[in-house]
Amino acid sequence: GAGVSQSPSNKVTEKGKDVELRCDPISGHTALYWYRQSLGQGLEFLIYFQGNSAPDKSGLPSDRFSAERTGGSVSTLTIQRTQQEDSAVYLCASSLKRGGRRGETQYFGPGTRLLVL
Amino acid sequence: AQSVTQLDSQVPVFEEAPVELRCNYSSSVSVYLFWYVQYPNQGLQLLLKYLSGSTLVESINGFEAEFNKSQTSFHLRKPSVHISDTAEYFCAVSDPPWAGGTSYGKLTFGQGTILTVHP
Repeated sequence: GAGVSQSPSNKVTEKGKDVELRCDPISGHTALYWYRQSLGQGLEFLIYFQGNSAPDKSGLPSDRFSAERTGGSVSTLTIQRTQQEDSAVYLCASSLKRGGRRGETQYFGPGTRLLVL
Repeated sequence: AQSVTQLDSQVPVFEEAPVELRCNYSSSVSVYLFWYVQYPNQGLQLLLKYLSGSTLVESINGFEAEFNKSQTSFHLRKPSVHISDTAEYFCAVSDPPWAGGTSYGKLTFGQGTILTVHP
């Protein structure tokens, strides 16, 4: 079946512009996660959604970052007034449900490579 | 708070040699442990995971990892590597659901280890 898809695959933007990154999770997966992979910080958690519960936003680095998940499926990560330090690969992952007793596997998308000039 | 340390940023080895990629974690509660692999130009894939029970877990492609609670380690090993094992390997932890709080499920990753297998 189809895996997690993300778009765009690459995004180049100018400092100060807003960007939107999209994630399509695997059908039927109720949990969705966003991570960021950057040279200086490695892989870091940003936000996750589980069904209709309030999202865990504890990893968002600033209030310029926000995310939503519509209809329990597609998610959009928005970065407002982008800064050069936002340059990174943004990864989306989904799992059947949030880390249950079986440690549900997170399936990752290919990522969106963001470059802020 | 959790943290994961991968002691080697790069590990070069020759084909058919054994390899060990080291991972240590810090957590005040029980954890789930994972190894993910990222092949060149591909996304992250789960290699293996430890949840409970036997401390030795294996993957389908010959890798194994052993959970050592006293040393808070989860080192990844393979007795004989192939060229195709060249990739970046990430160790990760998450809280199990009974740990309490709201942080369970999300992964905390180490910095990654680049394994390069030479012919």
